[in-house]
Amino acid sequence: EAQVTQNPRYLITVTGKKLTVTCSQNMNHEYMSWYRQDPGLGLRQIYYSMNVEVTDKGDVPEGYKVSRKEKRNFPLILESPSPNQTSLYFCASSLTGNSPLHFGNGTRLTVT
Amino acid sequence: GQNIDQPTEMTATEGAIVQINCTYQTSGFNGLFWYQQHAGEAPTFLSYNVLDGLEEKGRFSSFLSRSKGYSYLLLKELQMKDSASYLCAVNDYKLSFGAGTTVTVRA
Repeated sequence: EAQVTQNPRYLITVTGKKLTVTCSQNMNHEYMSWYRQDPGLGLRQIYYSMNVEVTDKGDVPEGYKVSRKEKRNFPLILESPSPNQTSLYFCASSLTGNSPLHFGNGTRLTVT
Repeated sequence: GQNIDQPTEMTATEGAIVQINCTYQTSGFNGLFWYQQHAGEAPTFLSYNVLDGLEEKGRFSSFLSRSKGYSYLLLKELQMKDSASYLCAVNDYKLSFGAGTTVTVRA
């Protein structure tokens, strides 16, 4: 089944404790992206990747890191999480940067 | 930068028609997407417009006017399962989303 898989679904952590949210797609998509979704603000792009080893900042990249060492994986790293990073996170992929996005099921992160 | 506006909430009756408007101001334009998002779930793709005009897909249609920076999503024969948020997303050199319109369908 074609899908984007992100883990974990729920995560509660404390300020400053490094964490990684994994994202994997099995559709051989070139484009992958991370979004955060907050009430009233909609989906805001954190980072995106047009292809392997190519990543770029989105609208809200501060406090986040990504890597794209393989085509299928695009992990999101929070080196030192802070409470303002409490949010719902979505990973998404598409064939190209101008194709419909396929979203993962989301990761609800709480930083205390 | 991009500025994408859509109404926050709309309510309609089962069987009726609802039109969700989206206006945008972008430096370029490479296409406009509509996504549906049920509460607690991931967004799913509904439609894509890159040229002016109407695209029809069953009960859902989407319209685009590039000169006016305007699009709408038309939902016909509303069903209870259509209660969801509808997200307008515009691609200039990158994709940006509007805040979404929450549609509530009442019996």
